[in-house]
Amino acid sequence: GQQVMQIPQYQHVQEGEDFTTYCNSSTTLSNIQWYKQRPGGHPVFLIQLVKSGEVKKQKRLTFQFGEAKKNSSLHITATQTTDVGTYFCAGPSNTGKLIFGQGTTLQVKP
Amino acid sequence: KAGVTQTPRYLIKTRGQQVTLSCSPISGHRSVSWYQQTPGQGLQFLFEYFSETQRNKGNFPGRFSGRQFSNSRSEMNVSTLELGDSALYLCASSISPGVAEQYFGPGTRLTVT
Repeated sequence: GQQVMQIPQYQHVQEGEDFTTYCNSSTTLSNIQWYKQRPGGHPVFLIQLVKSGEVKKQKRLTFQFGEAKKNSSLHITATQTTDVGTYFCAGPSNTGKLIFGQGTTLQVKP
Repeated sequence: KAGVTQTPRYLIKTRGQQVTLSCSPISGHRSVSWYQQTPGQGLQFLFEYFSETQRNKGNFPGRFSGRQFSNSRSEMNVSTLELGDSALYLCASSISPGVAEQYFGPGTRLTVT
């Protein structure tokens, strides 16, 4: 079946360092979504990318959608302790249900 | 606008029992999806409801069922509980199926002993 894979599973960085998580789908996606889940919390929608090669920025966060619409990345510049959490990518299957990647858990050392 | 609410927030059950979880979506949202979250398996899709109809179903056994009411509130039921059903059950609502932004509730933490 369709799979969405994320790497790395965990990332520990020093505050101020950059962070990147990568998402790869086994099939072409109509769109890719990103969510953030703080420790003890629930996933919160960050952004949706739709177009091939699309790049969107939210302050220190940069999201990219690959040309083939099978991969995506989230890059955080100069991490802060508030960035701690698990970042999930998700893509719709051909039946419309949302398939989530396993998530990348980010720890930031002050 | 009030967010997605889920009840109960915590639940402890014994193997073999059944459980019903409830979800109230954001006002105006007609699509409700349920997910199971465990440390080992991540977020696994259970089912999606829209206008009281199940649109999609994940790869879970028949012990897992759900329904949606005319006011868009949804319930999910797990019968004959197993230890492996211990998880955080998340409900998410959106305006309609296929709309990107899903709003998640705080979840119900189910522990099966």
